[in-house]
Amino acid sequence: DAGVIQSPRHEVTEMGQEVTLRCKPISGHNSLFWYRQTMMRGLELLIYFNNNVPIDDSGMPEDRFSAKMPNASFSTLKIQPSEPRDSAVYFCASSRLEETQYFGPGTRLLVL
Amino acid sequence: DQQVKQNSPSLSVQEGRISILNCDYTNSMFDYFLWYKKYPAEGPTFLISISSIKDKNEDGRFTVFLNKSAKHLSLHIVPSQPGDSAVYFCAVPHHDKVIFGPGTSLSVIP
Repeated sequence: DAGVIQSPRHEVTEMGQEVTLRCKPISGHNSLFWYRQTMMRGLELLIYFNNNVPIDDSGMPEDRFSAKMPNASFSTLKIQPSEPRDSAVYFCASSRLEETQYFGPGTRLLVL
Repeated sequence: DQQVKQNSPSLSVQEGRISILNCDYTNSMFDYFLWYKKYPAEGPTFLISISSIKDKNEDGRFTVFLNKSAKHLSLHIVPSQPGDSAVYFCAVPHHDKVIFGPGTSLSVIP
């Protein structure tokens, strides 16, 4: 199994631009999670999906952030417009319901 | 308010010695606990878990101890190896989510 796949691995963009992060979960997993890791706040859960349905988006920092899961094998996290304080590593993780989460390698985002 | 706390942001240990990483939690209803390990430029990976029906779980060099009355758990690594240098997260599954502690960065010095 290829594990959780995230793309791009690195993204550098300018303030105000739209950023789209992509995730392919492990086949057969029905839960998908988006996390953000920063030095100040550690690993924060942004949003998670069960069976492609968003369950809890209370961690999404503001309306500039949105996430979709159009099917069981793909999810996106979009930031529009991006700001320098969005610079962080964004992780996607997947699991079978209530089982151990498997993390992707992360996308390192830098907003200038 | 943090429900899972790791009060030591970093720890340095000599190779061959024991590493002890601590974690405290606030909710006495938590009944299952996880440790994740994270290398730079990689995502966290599951390391070891413990259920509240046990007070110890061992897997090779890694042992997790749970003290329910103190709402405290610890991860022991013995003997520590340079390849153990990583960030260790204590985590608790809660409803459909996992609550992560802030992590402890372990450096094992050769």
